[in-house]
Amino acid sequence: AQSVTQLGSHVSVSEGALVLLRCNYSSSVPPYLFWYVQYPNQGLQLLLKYTTGATLVKGINGFEAEFKKSETSFHLTKPSAHMSDAAEYFCAVSGTASKLTFGTGTRLQVTL
Amino acid sequence: DTAVSQTPKYLVTQMGNDKSIKCEQNLGHDTMYWYKQDSKKFLKIMFSYNNKELIINETVPNRFSPKSPDKAHLNLHINSLELGDSAVYFCASSQVGGSNYGYTFGSGTRLTVV
Repeated sequence: AQSVTQLGSHVSVSEGALVLLRCNYSSSVPPYLFWYVQYPNQGLQLLLKYTTGATLVKGINGFEAEFKKSETSFHLTKPSAHMSDAAEYFCAVSGTASKLTFGTGTRLQVTL
Repeated sequence: DTAVSQTPKYLVTQMGNDKSIKCEQNLGHDTMYWYKQDSKKFLKIMFSYNNKELIINETVPNRFSPKSPDKAHLNLHINSLELGDSAVYFCASSQVGGSNYGYTFGSGTRLTVV
């Protein structure tokens, strides 16, 4: 079985500051990992994904994440936060039968 | 536009009623899903269909019945609606072996049962 833990249901950063959203996973097989973003009253949009190969993956809007097998982590980062980054962020891990299991989400607030 | 589209976007109904939510994708994907997002934003899979066949059926009340007339459509019918059914329901689709590629989500249907 697969599971995801997102540390911090709410993260607040100043505009221009580093964004770090934490995700740890548990998987009985080599995992495929994803980050999704959800803006208010909208669906989920794929930010980036790790399947195989390079452990540092780059996504849209300047976000990136690093797969660390030894730490079972897949933290999401962005060097400089923008007001438009304020949203809910979900980490997800793939499971059997094409099933994605999501974390509980982290709400990112960006302040001036 | 290529997308996953859901209708209606908002649905307000009384307890005990029966309602349906429709989903269509024109991405050529073989697998479609229904997820429920509760008031705390938690996303939980309900059903998954691959090429019209049910492949995932989580612990969901029998009042919820998915129907897939073809691989581009996955509708969700809910009987005898209850207050606890109030949530946002998301349809999604993916390629074969979908978890390797991620899902494409619809914009959601906000169901409110009063």
